[in-house]
Amino acid sequence: NAGVTQTPKFQVLKTGQSMTLQCAQDMNHNSMYWYRQDPGMGLRLIYYSASEGTTDKGEVPNGYNVSRLNKREFSLRLESAAPSQTSVYFCASEGLAGGRSGSDTQYFGPGTRLTVL
Amino acid sequence: SQKIEQNSEALNIQEGKTATLTCNYTNYSPAYLQWYRQDPGRGPVFLLLIRENEKEKRKERLKVTFDTTLKQSLFHITASQPADSATYLCALHTGGFKTIFGAGTRLFVKA
Repeated sequence: NAGVTQTPKFQVLKTGQSMTLQCAQDMNHNSMYWYRQDPGMGLRLIYYSASEGTTDKGEVPNGYNVSRLNKREFSLRLESAAPSQTSVYFCASEGLAGGRSGSDTQYFGPGTRLTVL
Repeated sequence: SQKIEQNSEALNIQEGKTATLTCNYTNYSPAYLQWYRQDPGRGPVFLLLIRENEKEKRKERLKVTFDTTLKQSLFHITASQPADSATYLCALHTGGFKTIFGAGTRLFVKA
């Protein structure tokens, strides 16, 4: 049981380049999330997916797109990277603490550290 | 505006003492509040959840209180150890699929 996995761990891009951050969970959770974390700021929600086949914008969606490929996988795409997107990106899935069915606790991946030059 | 405030200054305490971290919020009516631990270079890890109708929750050396009148949660670590050094995040579940995170407070426990 790997929990939430993210790839890559580190990435450096030039302005204007595109890339996709991958996320997968093996806990059979319905809801998945993408956050960015910047120094001195809390985690900010970029996009979320309440269930397979649905996605919705969070607090800071501009410059990003997402795909909920199936129940396990939720990817984040930067179409044209900008220096303002330099950040640490975390994917999370939501389930009940203790593994019970339902939702109230988020389980996070290890993060992707992205630098845009 | 809606916001969550955690002390941005690091908290330094001596091993064995009780660490108390504060989370204040405005303009929310959260259904529940969570505390997470985050170590450098890692994702947050869930610690405790307390619901709006609960005053206090305990788990081993951890205790969380939730005062919906004061709009405040306190997070206590008793008999603190150097291994407790980390950043602790407060998070409010505001309904639907939205959870709002505070910026966190760094805790340093000295041996």
